[in-house]
Amino acid sequence: EPEVTQTPSHQVTQMGQEVILRCVPISNHLYFYWYRQILGQKVEFLVSFYNNEISEKSEIFDDQFSVERPDGSNFTLKIRSTKLEDSAMYFCASSGAVAYEQYFGPGTRLTVT
Amino acid sequence: QKEVEQNSGPLSVPEGAIASLNCTYSDRVSQSFFWYRQYSGKSPELIMSIYSNGDKEDGRFTAQLNKASQYVSLLIRDSQPSDSATYLCAVNNFNKFYFGSGTKLNVKP
Repeated sequence: EPEVTQTPSHQVTQMGQEVILRCVPISNHLYFYWYRQILGQKVEFLVSFYNNEISEKSEIFDDQFSVERPDGSNFTLKIRSTKLEDSAMYFCASSGAVAYEQYFGPGTRLTVT
Repeated sequence: QKEVEQNSGPLSVPEGAIASLNCTYSDRVSQSFFWYRQYSGKSPELIMSIYSNGDKEDGRFTAQLNKASQYVSLLIRDSQPSDSATYLCAVNNFNKFYFGSGTKLNVKP
């Protein structure tokens, strides 16, 4: 069964550094998303992406965040200058023809020290 | 602030019983509704979606939506210990998605 994959599974970085989190959505899906989940808290929407552009973004998704689909398979989230409070699990998701039914990847745990 | 509210639980049910999970949402224009299951340390796993008022059944799961009351529920019939997890309610508002904090379900053998 097709699945969303994410790399790396765990990323440790120092405050102020840039990180890129990578995702490979399900191949025939059209909509792509990033979420974060701080330990013990709810899943929070960051951004949705469709047709090579941002569809919607949340208040969390400020200028330090960006997303890109650099080729036909990858979908990336860049955090330009990480802060301690960016430490969280970051989930990528994708959805296809059944609009908005999202399938999540296993997540990348980001630890900012 | 668009809110999705769930009772945090834990909700404990014996094996074979029906588990009933509830969710309310604050924004009347919400268009579609989802239930996810999340095991500890894992990613959310889609269980069901529902878009219109009424019931939708899929195997042991039934989702119920009442837009007038801004209420979504999930019934799990013949609950199994493997159903023990946190159940997340999610709501779509024009391609922005809001999750509740989840209800922790314990199914006791």
